[in-house]
Amino acid sequence: GAVVSQHPSWVICKSGTSVKIECRSLDFQATTMFWYRQFPKQSLMLMATSNEGSKATYEQGVEKDKFLINHASLTLSTLTVTSAHPEDSSFYICSARDMTGNEQFFGPGTRLTVL
Amino acid sequence: QKEVEQNSGPLSVPEGAIASLNCTYSDRGSQSFFWYRQYSGKSPELIMSIYSNGDKEDGRFTAQLNKASQYVSLLIRDSQPSDSATYLCAVNLPLDYKLSFGAGTTVTVRA
Repeated sequence: GAVVSQHPSWVICKSGTSVKIECRSLDFQATTMFWYRQFPKQSLMLMATSNEGSKATYEQGVEKDKFLINHASLTLSTLTVTSAHPEDSSFYICSARDMTGNEQFFGPGTRLTVL
Repeated sequence: QKEVEQNSGPLSVPEGAIASLNCTYSDRGSQSFFWYRQYSGKSPELIMSIYSNGDKEDGRFTAQLNKASQYVSLLIRDSQPSDSATYLCAVNLPLDYKLSFGAGTTVTVRA
């Protein structure tokens, strides 16, 4: 149980384009999902907290107009990186919290490369 | 002061030995504590959660929590080469479900 999927697993795009990443909880309902970014040899950095049916809460320094988050159902959250630039190249990972517990389960991550 | 601090590592242990990982946290109101394992290029995988003072064992892993000392540890017994990874300590911040992560300790198990 507690499986979280992400799609795509990797993406290469040109500078200025937008990229959408999907995060799904496959066998449980997740009222809260989290989006993280991880640069090489660094720890996870929380970008935003996504609650089903409401606006996401962004961490300080994260541009909400650049990183659009939608959490339309209890099993799906999406992150759209708008007008991507090379500095947005990173490993983006989502996690989902089971409605009944405190544990967060991570998706496999999406590696974004912006040329 | 960082919210969650881990011993910096890297930690190298011979196969079959015990690997000991330490973590301290700053917010005394923290209630939930987790250890994640992250292989290079992969996302974190939850291996242990602990909520009460004392020890919690799961297979070769033992987590220890001491809230008075604001200290969490993870012991890996009979270390195997497959245990070579970065181990992340994470703490639930009070009043919300966000996790605060330590920088991680990289463990290498020598065959």
